[in-house]
Amino acid sequence: EPEVTQTPSHQVTQMGQEVILRCVPISNHLYFYWYRQILGQKVEFLVSFYNNEISEKSEIFDDQFSVERPDGSNFTLKIRSTKLEDSAMYFCASRPEGLYNEQFFGPGTRLTVL
Amino acid sequence: QQPVQSPQAVILREGEDAVINCSSSKALYSVHWYRQKHGEAPVFLMILLKGGEQKGHEKISASFNEKKQQSSLYLTASQLSYSGTYFCGTEYREGNDYKLSFGAGTTVTVRA
Repeated sequence: EPEVTQTPSHQVTQMGQEVILRCVPISNHLYFYWYRQILGQKVEFLVSFYNNEISEKSEIFDDQFSVERPDGSNFTLKIRSTKLEDSAMYFCASRPEGLYNEQFFGPGTRLTVL
Repeated sequence: QQPVQSPQAVILREGEDAVINCSSSKALYSVHWYRQKHGEAPVFLMILLKGGEQKGHEKISASFNEKKQQSSLYLTASQLSYSGTYFCGTEYREGNDYKLSFGAGTTVTVRA
């Protein structure tokens, strides 16, 4: 069964460094998402991406964040200058176009900012 | 716009029942339910479609009241494996785009 994959599974970085989290959505899906979950808290929506542009973004998704689909298969989330509070699990998800389609989540990348 | 879920948390003993509610201010095409186990990604449970059709593969039932834009998830005779955080996702149209927006989640703890 096709699945969303994410790399790395765990990323440790120093405060102020840039990180890129990678996702490979399911191949025929057209909607892509990033979510964040701080340990012990709820899943928070960051951004959705469709037709090579951001469809919707939350207040969390400020200028420090950017997304890209560089090559037609990968979907990346970049955090330009990481802060301690960026430490969280980041989930990527994808969904086919059209109504009534479930969203498939990747296994997540745990980001630890020291 | 994010749907509202209630309650925020519920604690059950094995065999007890619970209801989780999800409501939206948008006209909905469908409601999705997902469950997240601790340390794992959310997993799809079921979808309820406008018109009453329901698709799912778990022994957990749900209803969708289109008039009220509300859905309820029924955990009947709960098992330990039902523990987790349940999210509803509401599907609505915005322009030519169909969006899926998730609620904040309801944490369910089932104890022996």
